[in-house]
Amino acid sequence: EVQLVENGGGLIQPGGSLRLSCAASGFTVSGNDMTWVRQAPGKGLDWVSFIYSAGGTYYADSVKGRFTMSRDNSKNTLYLQMNNLRVEDTAVYYCARGTQSSANVLGSWGQGTLVTVSS
Amino acid sequence: DIVMTQSPDSLAVSLGERATINCKSSQSVLHSFDEKKYLAWYQQKPGQPPKLLIYWASTRESGVPDRFSGSGSGTDFTLTISSLQAEDVAVYYCQQYYTTPITFGQGTRLEIK
Repeated sequence: EVQLVENGGGLIQPGGSLRLSCAASGFTVSGNDMTWVRQAPGKGLDWVSFIYSAGGTYYADSVKGRFTMSRDNSKNTLYLQMNNLRVEDTAVYYCARGTQSSANVLGSWGQGTLVTVSS
Repeated sequence: DIVMTQSPDSLAVSLGERATINCKSSQSVLHSFDEKKYLAWYQQKPGQPPKLLIYWASTRESGVPDRFSGSGSGTDFTLTISSLQAEDVAVYYCQQYYTTPITFGQGTRLEIK
């Protein structure tokens, strides 16, 4: 069974850093295209970043230069390193797996982890 | 960036009736390379992550009831629920995956009348 479990969220002051993790089971992160999507409280879905199974990464302009997506194949875990956090980064962060049909069709999602950026 | 605009923002439909949600993209998401429409639909219930319903504009994900269907052209798309059930109460999002940044519509809240 495919499962994604995010961790690492919490309350952080503006300018601070957090590293989110997404532990996968039932498949290998190295062999799949993976995405981070966030959702601010009461708002819609906002694409954050993407990593191809081959390793290329893409970022939304709003996080480029501040966020870094990576994976640890030995732990079968995806990461999102978030630096210089802003109040507007407050959201539930979901990791998701692309389908065989297309890398950016998000067929499996984790339950999300809440990041709150506030002083 | 491709802007996705859904209408209406909210919708109330009686049980057993048809629900229709529209999604318009600011540019075509029909790829000439493969003639496919790079458009997906998701359902999100309160406190849950989104769930994939439809991709390639009209292909139902495995396990999705056949009362859900998708259609559309290069820029105008529709999600139809043929006979609304109580468990369909949710927010629905369209998504283009034609190009990065991947973008979503603002969401349509579907309720029971």
